[in-house]
Amino acid sequence: QLQLQESGPGLVKPSETLSLTCNVSGYSIIRSSYYWAWVRQPPGEGLEWIGNIFYSGSTYYNPSLNSRVTISVETSTNQFSLNLTSVTAADTAVYYCARRHTSGALDFWGQGTLVTVSS
Amino acid sequence: SYGLTQPPSVSVSPGQTASITCSGDKLGNKYVSWYEQKAGRSPVLVIHQDNRRPSGIPDRFSGSNSGNTATLSIRGTQSADEADYYCQVWDSNTGVFGTGTKVTVL
Repeated sequence: QLQLQESGPGLVKPSETLSLTCNVSGYSIIRSSYYWAWVRQPPGEGLEWIGNIFYSGSTYYNPSLNSRVTISVETSTNQFSLNLTSVTAADTAVYYCARRHTSGALDFWGQGTLVTVSS
Repeated sequence: SYGLTQPPSVSVSPGQTASITCSGDKLGNKYVSWYEQKAGRSPVLVIHQDNRRPSGIPDRFSGSNSGNTATLSIRGTQSADEADYYCQVWDSNTGVFGTGTKVTVL
């Protein structure tokens, strides 16, 4: 059974870089034509798509974050990662990783990890 | 940028049908997914490709999409259906979520 698990620091200082990793288990990232995604949710607010990556490294990013975000994949460890630079308090959110099915749906999600931006 | 609008809240009596709308320009030309998110939990996919239910989702959940509006319907609503619901599409490889609707079962 596919499982995704986010990991990384829960506290990041303003202007620094937020770095998270999603560990994928029960399924190989390179196995088929799926994209792997990051989504975030500020406290009390709605969902915001951050970006997708294919195992080949092809990426798509939210235009509103494009200049600050990088998503990378490490096929040898079956993980993919998120880097978000120059963070501010507005980047405080629960960050989720998810699988994008070929249908377009995000069909498997991690449990989410809260990242707080504060000095 | 593309936007999806949902009503902030929908109230329904137990056993009745809850209908949640999602509006966007020419939305009927896109595939819509719907997610249920209970308090403190990760979103769960309940409908994809407008009207298809993933394995394990009860047939009380159904979807439709035409024109500028997609609708998620929950038939025979139960207290367990109280949650936030989000629609979602892809617009030129960019993911877009709706504003979200809180369903309250009175």
